[in-house]
Amino acid sequence: GAGVSQSPSNKVTEKGKDVELRCDPISGHTALYWYRQSLGQGLEFLIYFQGNSAPDKSGLPSDRFSAERTGGSVSTLTIQRTQQEDSAVYLCASSPTGVFNYGYTFGSGTRLTVV
Amino acid sequence: EDKVVQSPLSLVVHEGDTVTLNCSYEVTNFRSLLWYKQEKKAPTFLFMLTSSGIEKKSGRLSSILDKKELSSILNITATQTGDSAIYLCAVASGTYKYIFGTGTRLKVLA
Repeated sequence: GAGVSQSPSNKVTEKGKDVELRCDPISGHTALYWYRQSLGQGLEFLIYFQGNSAPDKSGLPSDRFSAERTGGSVSTLTIQRTQQEDSAVYLCASSPTGVFNYGYTFGSGTRLTVV
Repeated sequence: EDKVVQSPLSLVVHEGDTVTLNCSYEVTNFRSLLWYKQEKKAPTFLFMLTSSGIEKKSGRLSSILDKKELSSILNITATQTGDSAIYLCAVASGTYKYIFGTGTRLKVLA
C-alpha cells in the first residue's frame, strides 16, 4: 500500500479480554517494528521483524504479548488477558532493508483503552 | 544502556518566536539520528542526520548533529500555530532499530 495501515484505530476492551492489533506495512518493506507510547512517554520498542522472523522481541513487556508476521507483509500484535497498564497507543512502522538510510514510516496507530 | 534524552520536556511560545529543541544520546554504536513531528498519533519524518550529513534544513526547520558532544538540536524559526506538536528524537542503536526520547511538547500561541 501507499502507507503503513493500522487497524483498528481505536479499541476499548474490558480487562482480561484478548485483543489483536493489525499492521499492514508499505509494500516491499522487509523490516517491521512495533512500538508502544503510553501517556506522556516516549516510544517504547516492542519487537522487530525482518521478513517473517523476529530477531528481536526483547521489548515485549510480558508473555501476554505476542506478535507474528506472515507473507513478509501483515503483522498482528496480540495482547492476552489485557490489563489497565496495557492502555497506550500502539504504533507500527516499516522500513526498506537498510533502515539507516531511510528511517521509519509510521502508521497512524491503534489507541488501546483497557477499562 | 542506550538512552536518548530530550529537553525541554515542554515549551510554550508565541507565534513568530524561534525555538531550539535539544537531544542528547548515549548509544554503543551510533549510526544515525532522526527527528519526527507527532501531531496526533503518527510521527512524521523531518530529518535524518548521519556522520556524512550533519546539518539539514527545510524551510523554517533546521537541525545540526554534534557528534563530539553526542547531541543534536532542532531549530524552528518564525514559529506558527501549526508547529504545535510533540517533537521526537531517535538514535540508531546497533544495526536495525532506533531508540526514542520522550519528546518535547511544543505549543505555539497565536
